[in-house]
Amino acid sequence: AQKVTQAQTEISVVEKEDVTLDCVYETRDTTYYLFWYKQPPSGELVFLIRRNSFDEQNEISGRYSWNFQKSTSSFNFTITASQVVDSAVYFCALSESTSGTYKYIFGTGTRLKVLA
Amino acid sequence: DGGITQSPKYLFRKEGQNVTLSCEQNLNHDAMYWYRQDPGQGLRLIYYSQIVNDFQKGDIAEGYSVSREKKESFPLTVTSAQKNPTAFYLCASSIGPRGLSNQPQHFGDGTRLSIL
Repeated sequence: AQKVTQAQTEISVVEKEDVTLDCVYETRDTTYYLFWYKQPPSGELVFLIRRNSFDEQNEISGRYSWNFQKSTSSFNFTITASQVVDSAVYFCALSESTSGTYKYIFGTGTRLKVLA
Repeated sequence: DGGITQSPKYLFRKEGQNVTLSCEQNLNHDAMYWYRQDPGQGLRLIYYSQIVNDFQKGDIAEGYSVSREKKESFPLTVTSAQKNPTAFYLCASSIGPRGLSNQPQHFGDGTRLSIL
């Protein structure tokens, strides 16, 4: 069954610390896509990254980096030198398309608090 | 600027009343979605539409109805049959017709619905 697990409900760090948000997924498809979204206090979800199942290269964008490991079905997100503006709820999502059927599942989110 | 506009930001419903949440997009996206967000439960899909005049039930469609008469608009009606409507409602859109579930979704700012 398709499933996304974000076991960390809430994480608090002090500014400038590094923090990793975990995401573990389950899928029967060989072709699928993984996403990370950020939800600041304003409520709108902001798209951060998309990864397809055939590309296991890690990606870095500024202070953000993502580690995709198919062997452990994980797609973890690391923020380096965290800042107060990083405080938000972060969602991992899985999308797959089987015979044209739509499947898009979000995890329950991890609330990150970065303290000054 | 292109984006998704949800209105109102806050909405109050009386017992037995139907209320309609507005969602408009100017991104020229084919697909639109409605999600419900409850604390600790992430996002759950209510309805989605991959093309004008067509829509499909999501995981929690009971007590809700939608229409898709125009590409830009996807209003959600919370009916009196929805016994626990208090939640944060998010509208989203993405490029592509049915099956292109690899596209990121763009979200509005949300509507917070409460019961009087």
